[in-house]
Amino acid sequence: KQEVTQIPAALSVPEGENLVLNCSFTDSAIYNLQWFRQDPGKGLTSLLLIQSSQREQTSGRLNASLDKSSGRSTLYIAASQPGDSATYLCAVTNGGSQGNLIFGKGTKLSVKP
Amino acid sequence: GAVVSQHPSRVICKSGTSVKIECRSLDFQATTMFWYRQFPKQSLMLMATSNEGSKATYEQGVEKDKFLINHASLTLSTLTVTSAHPEDSSFYICSALPGLIVGTEAFFGQGTRLTVV
Repeated sequence: KQEVTQIPAALSVPEGENLVLNCSFTDSAIYNLQWFRQDPGKGLTSLLLIQSSQREQTSGRLNASLDKSSGRSTLYIAASQPGDSATYLCAVTNGGSQGNLIFGKGTKLSVKP
Repeated sequence: GAVVSQHPSRVICKSGTSVKIECRSLDFQATTMFWYRQFPKQSLMLMATSNEGSKATYEQGVEKDKFLINHASLTLSTLTVTSAHPEDSSFYICSALPGLIVGTEAFFGQGTRLTVV
């Protein structure tokens, strides 16, 4: 059974710092891995989608890497801003599934001005 | 990206009543839609997979008679929480897959915060 783990559970940094969020998954047979942002009481904002054949994706200050064989992904946020404060979720689509996502519990990020 | 609209965003209902949540794909057809639930400080958990024109597939531990799912068209799936109880209070969110290819990006609705009093 696929399990997705995110470390740390919470992170507080001063504005301007670069930071890394970690995600690991137990079954490497995935179609893709996706990073989301969730603001309190809100839905999900998709940040980056990495297909299983890819090693990384970049969007602005965000860079996500994928090492499928070791079951790991990282989300790198450069020059963090207070507006980046949110919960970041990692999710994978299992091979052989109908396309549903399996989520980690998230990392709650707080960027202090 | 594609747009998925979920309605209502918030609902408060009395214990014992039923609540219907709609999930619409606005600019694409979705053969498959998914319903997730998120309890406080927990991750999103898949409740059921909804396929247009056929019965939904429920995850273990999710009562199909309590959480009725209808996917009558390629752009609309509904989740009805029947005889709601306070323990059903949660954040419910849907996602829709464009087309039939697994592994493409799924798009999420805005979510529904259900509070049963």
